[in-house]
Order: sequence, then structure tokens, then C-alpha cells
Amino acid sequence: DTGVSQNPRHKITKRGQNVTFRCDPISEHNRLYWYRQTLGQGPEFLTYFQNEAQLEKSRLLSDRFSAERPKGSFSTLEIQRTEQGDSAMYLCASRGQVKSDTQYFGPGTRLTVL
Amino acid sequence: AQSVTQPDIHITVSEGASLELRCNYSYGATPYLFWYVQSPGQGLQLLLKYFSGDTLVQGIKGFEAEFKRSQSSFNLRKPSVHWSDAAEYFCAVGDYNNDMRFGAGTRLTVKP
Repeated sequence: DTGVSQNPRHKITKRGQNVTFRCDPISEHNRLYWYRQTLGQGPEFLTYFQNEAQLEKSRLLSDRFSAERPKGSFSTLEIQRTEQGDSAMYLCASRGQVKSDTQYFGPGTRLTVL
Repeated sequence: AQSVTQPDIHITVSEGASLELRCNYSYGATPYLFWYVQSPGQGLQLLLKYFSGDTLVQGIKGFEAEFKRSQSSFNLRKPSVHWSDAAEYFCAVGDYNNDMRFGAGTRLTVKP
């Protein structure tokens, strides 16, 4: 399968714990995006990378959130000191460098904070 | 900044009936426009996209959408709905970098 993959698919954690999610984009894609989707809402943009550079961060991304893409390939999204309000689906997408390229989405990681 | 409004939270249609899902966008320049579908437990799948050219865009699964600049709209249509079309539909607008912002979605229910 050469699509976007995300791990884990589900994560249950207790409030206050740290969690980390991984996204593996389509191999030739240089842009990688993170979104958050809560129940009944559309995906909300969090941040994106062009290669290893993080070019934009949403105001939704509080200081407890950090994302990295150290070698311009896979990316990690870490949430520190999780809160119940962090419970959501975290989606990753990737696309090529041509503006007309499509963003391809992974299956998401569903986070539940107890 | 770009934004998207999907006025209908939930729509119910009978199988075989026609469908139109509304999408209005806000963006100062020529936008990139998309429709995605999300079935329960599935990832987002692209139905169609508009970047330039013909304002009537054909997509997968028999869907089409029309870009109307004067109305800032990009409505999704299908002439005859199938039960398998029941899902959540999201409209999105991309800026000059094709970085997307999504609407809140329209949930489609199909009656037998």
C-alpha cells in the first residue's frame, strides 16, 4: 500500500499523559499536513511542512502541541499533558510540490482522553 | 483567509432521487475548490476538484460540481443517488498555495 499511513489508529490515554502520533506520507510528496477533526465538524488545519520545514501553524496548536518532520519524510505530532478537549481524530495528509496536486489523507488516529 | 460554509448540516433523499449539496466559499482570489467524502470509519476521499478552466467539473462515482464565481459557490450534484452514497460530504477551499480549509460538512442519509 503506497498511501498515507498513520499510527496508531486508536489511542486511549489518561488526562495529563503525553501522546505521540506518527504519519508516513506518500514517498514522493514533499508537503505534509496535520488536521484535527472533532465529531460533527470538518477537518481543522493544524500545521504543515514543506520537506522538513514547518511553514505554518494554526492558532489551534497550543504550546502543548508540537510537530516535527526531521528528515522530510515521516512526521510526528506530540501532545503533552493531554486534556479531555484534545479527544478527536487527528488526520495527516500529503501532496506533491505542484500546486494542482491533490492532498491524500491517511485513515487518522482517534485519540480518546479519559 | 479563506473559509467555507456548508449551509445544510443534514440532508435526506430517497434512493434514485437527485442530490445537490451546497457550498459557499470566501476567498479574495481565484480559489482551488474540492469536495471530499468520508464514510464511517473511512478516510477522506477526493470526489472532484476545481483549479481552473471549465466551471463544470466531473468527479468519481457520478458526482459533478459547478463553480459559480458570481455566487461564490461550488455546489455538488448527482442525478440519481444510490444507498452507498450515504456519508459525510466536505467542501474545501484552497489558497494560492493550495492549502485547504474545510467546511463543517453535510451528512447525507439515503432512504430506501
